[in-house]
Amino acid sequence: DTGVSQDPRHKITKRGQNVTFRCDPISEHNRLYWYRQTLGQGPEFLTYFQNEAQLEKSRLLSDRFSAERPKGSFSTLEIQRTEQGDSAMYLCASSLNGGTTGNTIYFGEGSWLTVV
Amino acid sequence: GNSVTQMEGPVTLSEEAFLTINCTYTATGYPSLFWYVQYPGEGLQLLLKATKADDKGSNKGFEATYRKETTSFHLEKGSVQVSDSAVYFCALPRDDKIIFGKGTRLHILP
Repeated sequence: DTGVSQDPRHKITKRGQNVTFRCDPISEHNRLYWYRQTLGQGPEFLTYFQNEAQLEKSRLLSDRFSAERPKGSFSTLEIQRTEQGDSAMYLCASSLNGGTTGNTIYFGEGSWLTVV
Repeated sequence: GNSVTQMEGPVTLSEEAFLTINCTYTATGYPSLFWYVQYPGEGLQLLLKATKADDKGSNKGFEATYRKETTSFHLEKGSVQVSDSAVYFCALPRDDKIIFGKGTRLHILP
Protein backbone atom coordinates (compact mmCIF):
# COMPACT_ATOMS: atom_id res chain seq x y z
CA ASP A 1 0.00 0.00 0.00
CA THR A 2 1.48 3.37 -0.99
CA GLY A 3 -0.97 5.67 0.78
CA VAL A 4 -0.31 8.08 3.63
CA SER A 5 0.66 6.21 6.76
CA GLN A 6 0.63 7.45 10.33
CA ASP A 7 2.14 6.05 13.48
CA PRO A 8 1.07 5.33 16.15
CA ARG A 9 -2.61 4.87 15.42
CA HIS A 10 -3.51 5.25 19.06
CA LYS A 11 -1.69 6.86 21.97
CA ILE A 12 -2.78 7.23 25.58
CA THR A 13 -0.60 9.51 27.64
CA LYS A 14 -0.65 11.19 31.00
CA ARG A 15 -1.11 14.92 31.23
CA GLY A 16 2.21 16.69 31.10
CA GLN A 17 3.98 14.06 29.01
CA ASN A 18 5.35 14.66 25.52
CA VAL A 19 4.09 12.74 22.50
CA THR A 20 5.30 12.50 18.93
CA PHE A 21 3.40 11.39 15.84
CA ARG A 22 4.96 10.39 12.56
CA CYS A 23 3.56 10.71 9.07
CA ASP A 24 4.88 9.15 5.89
CA PRO A 25 3.26 10.80 2.86
CA ILE A 26 2.81 9.37 -0.60
CA SER A 27 6.33 9.26 -1.96
CA GLU A 28 6.16 11.79 -4.78
CA HIS A 29 4.02 14.31 -2.90
CA ASN A 30 5.70 17.60 -2.03
CA ARG A 31 2.92 19.00 0.14
CA LEU A 32 2.24 17.62 3.62
CA TYR A 33 -0.53 18.81 5.93
CA TRP A 34 -1.43 18.26 9.57
CA TYR A 35 -5.01 18.60 10.79
CA ARG A 36 -6.69 18.03 14.14
CA GLN A 37 -10.16 16.57 14.49
CA THR A 38 -12.21 16.41 17.68
CA LEU A 39 -15.38 14.37 18.12
CA GLY A 40 -18.28 15.69 16.09
CA GLN A 41 -16.21 18.30 14.29
CA GLY A 42 -14.56 18.60 10.92
CA PRO A 43 -10.78 18.54 10.57
CA GLU A 44 -9.08 21.81 11.53
CA PHE A 45 -5.92 22.88 9.76
CA LEU A 46 -2.76 23.01 11.87
CA THR A 47 0.19 23.43 9.51
CA TYR A 48 1.61 22.46 6.15
CA PHE A 49 4.94 21.91 4.43
CA GLN A 50 6.12 22.38 0.90
CA ASN A 51 9.01 19.93 0.74
CA GLU A 52 10.97 20.67 3.96
CA ALA A 53 9.74 24.24 4.38
CA GLN A 54 6.95 24.89 6.85
CA LEU A 55 4.88 27.51 5.04
CA GLU A 56 1.95 28.15 7.35
CA LYS A 57 0.98 27.52 10.94
CA SER A 58 -2.51 27.94 12.34
CA ARG A 59 -3.20 29.89 15.50
CA LEU A 60 -4.35 26.51 16.85
CA LEU A 61 -0.71 25.44 16.88
CA SER A 62 0.39 26.71 20.27
CA ASP A 63 4.04 26.88 21.26
CA ARG A 64 3.69 23.39 22.79
CA PHE A 65 3.26 22.01 19.27
CA SER A 66 6.10 21.63 16.82
CA ALA A 67 6.17 20.00 13.41
CA GLU A 68 9.12 19.11 11.24
CA ARG A 69 9.77 17.62 7.86
CA PRO A 70 13.57 17.49 7.85
CA LYS A 71 14.28 15.95 4.47
CA GLY A 72 11.07 16.76 2.72
CA SER A 73 9.81 13.21 3.16
CA PHE A 74 8.30 12.05 6.46
CA SER A 75 7.06 14.51 9.07
CA THR A 76 6.73 14.51 12.84
CA LEU A 77 4.30 16.38 15.04
CA GLU A 78 5.37 16.73 18.66
CA ILE A 79 3.16 17.92 21.50
CA GLN A 80 4.98 18.93 24.66
CA ARG A 81 3.42 19.02 28.13
CA THR A 82 0.17 17.52 26.89
CA GLU A 83 -3.14 18.78 28.24
CA GLN A 84 -6.52 17.07 28.27
CA GLY A 85 -7.70 19.51 25.61
CA ASP A 86 -5.13 18.02 23.24
CA SER A 87 -7.16 14.81 23.07
CA ALA A 88 -8.13 14.48 19.42
CA MET A 89 -7.34 12.68 16.21
CA TYR A 90 -4.34 14.09 14.39
CA LEU A 91 -4.61 13.66 10.66
CA CYS A 92 -1.81 13.86 8.16
CA ALA A 93 -2.43 14.44 4.45
CA SER A 94 -0.31 14.88 1.37
CA SER A 95 -0.71 16.16 -2.15
CA LEU A 96 1.24 16.89 -5.29
CA ASN A 97 1.42 20.66 -5.21
CA GLY A 98 -1.49 22.48 -3.65
CA GLY A 99 -5.10 21.46 -3.17
CA THR A 100 -6.32 24.80 -4.42
CA THR A 101 -5.88 23.77 -8.03
CA GLY A 102 -8.03 20.72 -7.57
CA ASN A 103 -5.17 18.34 -6.88
CA THR A 104 -6.42 15.66 -4.57
CA ILE A 105 -5.29 15.70 -0.96
CA TYR A 106 -4.91 12.18 0.43
CA PHE A 107 -5.36 11.54 4.13
CA GLY A 108 -3.87 8.98 6.42
CA GLU A 109 -5.99 7.05 8.88
CA GLY A 110 -5.10 9.38 11.72
CA SER A 111 -3.46 9.12 15.11
CA TRP A 112 -5.79 9.14 18.08
CA LEU A 113 -4.47 10.87 21.18
CA THR A 114 -6.07 10.48 24.58
CA VAL A 115 -4.63 12.55 27.42
CA VAL A 116 -5.61 11.27 30.86
CA GLY B 1 -12.22 33.98 3.25
CA ASN B 2 -13.65 30.88 1.67
CA SER B 3 -15.98 28.81 3.85
CA VAL B 4 -18.56 26.04 3.68
CA THR B 5 -21.74 25.37 5.61
CA GLN B 6 -23.35 21.96 5.58
CA MET B 7 -26.52 20.59 7.07
CA GLU B 8 -26.28 19.24 10.57
CA GLY B 9 -26.91 15.62 11.25
CA PRO B 10 -27.43 13.00 12.08
CA VAL B 11 -29.40 11.96 9.05
CA THR B 12 -31.14 8.60 9.40
CA LEU B 13 -32.60 6.86 6.36
CA SER B 14 -33.79 3.42 5.43
CA GLU B 15 -31.87 1.38 2.89
CA GLU B 16 -32.71 2.30 -0.73
CA ALA B 17 -33.93 5.77 0.26
CA PHE B 18 -32.89 8.91 -1.62
CA LEU B 19 -30.18 10.97 0.03
CA THR B 20 -29.45 14.69 -0.07
CA ILE B 21 -26.88 16.39 2.13
CA ASN B 22 -26.83 20.14 1.64
CA CYS B 23 -23.67 22.19 1.32
CA THR B 24 -23.36 25.87 0.53
CA TYR B 25 -20.16 27.80 0.12
CA THR B 26 -18.78 31.31 0.24
CA ALA B 27 -15.79 31.89 -1.98
CA THR B 28 -13.81 34.31 -4.04
CA GLY B 29 -13.98 33.16 -7.61
CA TYR B 30 -14.80 29.57 -8.44
CA PRO B 31 -12.56 27.23 -6.47
CA SER B 32 -12.69 23.45 -6.65
CA LEU B 33 -15.26 21.84 -4.37
CA PHE B 34 -14.96 18.48 -2.63
CA TRP B 35 -16.90 15.89 -0.70
CA TYR B 36 -14.92 13.70 1.65
CA VAL B 37 -16.22 10.65 3.55
CA GLN B 38 -15.03 9.26 6.87
CA TYR B 39 -15.96 5.73 7.84
CA PRO B 40 -15.92 4.79 11.54
CA GLY B 41 -12.42 4.81 12.99
CA GLU B 42 -10.77 5.86 9.75
CA GLY B 43 -9.29 8.91 8.12
CA LEU B 44 -10.91 10.90 5.33
CA GLN B 45 -11.29 9.69 1.78
CA LEU B 46 -12.05 11.86 -1.19
CA LEU B 47 -15.50 10.89 -2.43
CA LEU B 48 -15.85 13.27 -5.36
CA LYS B 49 -14.84 16.68 -6.59
CA ALA B 50 -15.78 19.34 -9.12
CA THR B 51 -13.13 21.70 -10.38
CA LYS B 52 -15.25 24.38 -12.05
CA ALA B 53 -18.73 25.82 -12.04
CA ASP B 54 -21.48 23.60 -13.52
CA ASP B 55 -19.29 20.51 -13.25
CA LYS B 56 -20.76 17.36 -11.77
CA GLY B 57 -18.62 15.11 -9.63
CA SER B 58 -19.63 11.50 -9.19
CA ASN B 59 -18.35 8.36 -7.53
CA LYS B 60 -19.86 5.18 -6.02
CA GLY B 61 -23.38 6.30 -6.97
CA PHE B 62 -22.97 9.69 -5.29
CA GLU B 63 -23.24 12.91 -7.27
CA ALA B 64 -22.81 16.62 -6.60
CA THR B 65 -23.20 19.52 -9.01
CA TYR B 66 -21.23 22.77 -8.65
CA ARG B 67 -23.97 25.41 -8.87
CA LYS B 68 -22.62 28.94 -8.85
CA GLU B 69 -26.09 30.51 -9.02
CA THR B 70 -27.03 29.09 -5.64
CA THR B 71 -23.43 28.68 -4.34
CA SER B 72 -24.24 25.08 -3.54
CA PHE B 73 -22.67 21.65 -3.90
CA HIS B 74 -25.30 19.29 -2.52
CA LEU B 75 -24.45 15.59 -2.25
CA GLU B 76 -27.05 13.15 -3.60
CA LYS B 77 -27.49 9.42 -3.98
CA GLY B 78 -30.49 7.73 -5.45
CA SER B 79 -30.49 4.57 -3.32
CA VAL B 80 -28.40 4.38 -0.18
CA GLN B 81 -26.96 1.22 1.35
CA VAL B 82 -26.09 0.31 4.92
CA SER B 83 -22.44 0.52 3.91
CA ASP B 84 -22.87 4.24 3.18
CA SER B 85 -23.17 4.93 6.91
CA ALA B 86 -20.37 7.40 7.60
CA VAL B 87 -19.65 11.08 8.16
CA TYR B 88 -19.61 13.27 5.05
CA PHE B 89 -17.65 16.52 4.81
CA CYS B 90 -18.01 19.28 2.28
CA ALA B 91 -14.73 21.09 1.62
CA LEU B 92 -13.05 23.75 -0.45
CA PRO B 93 -9.64 25.41 -0.70
CA ARG B 94 -8.69 28.49 1.27
CA ASP B 95 -5.26 29.88 0.56
CA ASP B 96 -3.08 26.78 0.15
CA LYS B 97 -5.09 24.33 2.23
CA ILE B 98 -8.45 22.58 2.29
CA ILE B 99 -11.03 23.63 4.85
CA PHE B 100 -13.93 21.44 5.90
CA GLY B 101 -17.47 21.78 7.06
CA LYS B 102 -18.47 20.30 10.40
CA GLY B 103 -19.63 17.07 8.82
CA THR B 104 -22.95 15.30 8.50
CA ARG B 105 -23.32 11.88 10.09
CA LEU B 106 -25.39 9.47 8.03
CA HIS B 107 -27.06 6.36 9.48
CA ILE B 108 -28.62 3.88 7.09
CA LEU B 109 -31.04 1.37 8.60
CA PRO B 110 -31.43 -2.08 7.01
